[in-house]
Amino acid sequence: DIVMIQSPDSLAVSLGERATINCESSQSVLYSSNNKNHLAWYQQKPGQPPKLLISWASTRESGVPDRFSGSGSGTDFTLTISSLQAEDVALYYCQQYFVSPGTFGQGTKVEIK
Amino acid sequence: EVQLVQSGPEVKKPGESLKITCKTSGYSFTSYWIGWVRQMPGKGPEWMGIIYPRDSETRYSPSFEGHVTISADKSTNTAYLHWSSLEASDTAVYYCGKVYGGTYYLFDFWGQGTLVTVSS
Repeated sequence: DIVMIQSPDSLAVSLGERATINCESSQSVLYSSNNKNHLAWYQQKPGQPPKLLISWASTRESGVPDRFSGSGSGTDFTLTISSLQAEDVALYYCQQYFVSPGTFGQGTKVEIK
Repeated sequence: EVQLVQSGPEVKKPGESLKITCKTSGYSFTSYWIGWVRQMPGKGPEWMGIIYPRDSETRYSPSFEGHVTISADKSTNTAYLHWSSLEASDTAVYYCGKVYGGTYYLFDFWGQGTLVTVSS
């Protein structure tokens, strides 16, 4: 299985400041045939299912605020929240969907400082 | 609007069988894979497996194959996750998810989750 490691495990950021979460995969998730990275980011709030924020490493899903952005390629990826809002307090997971099984990171908890 | 509505919480004893359900609406059920994800307490999600309702082709994670069965009913647009013999380690929240078109392992819409508690 591809192992996904997120860092940090948790971070506290002031309202309006930038939050950055990293995700590293144990092997590349870049599909050479279409030059797309099979990497997604989810947000999960307590008692709710994960919500897909970003697919293909950098494509925001419909309705996701533009303060959320994804970047990276190959094995190293980043989720950035450019200006943290109170409603962004949640757990964030990366997931590779390149090969079976689609493995997730361990999660990063984002809180308000 | 795409909706996936799961059955309610379950409390079972080890060795018992269980089938939980995921009723879908708002999209063409037979045109997309649908699958299941396990989330154990305090842990990240784990991809379990998927089914293509049009022909019932299934794909399982090696970690779950042989322990659960995924099925689907085209007439009711419903997917199922079945255990024939539960273990205490099956205690978790289980989510169904519609698979993102063109992929196998990415879910774009999720059910609300079903808490399964297995305890003697």
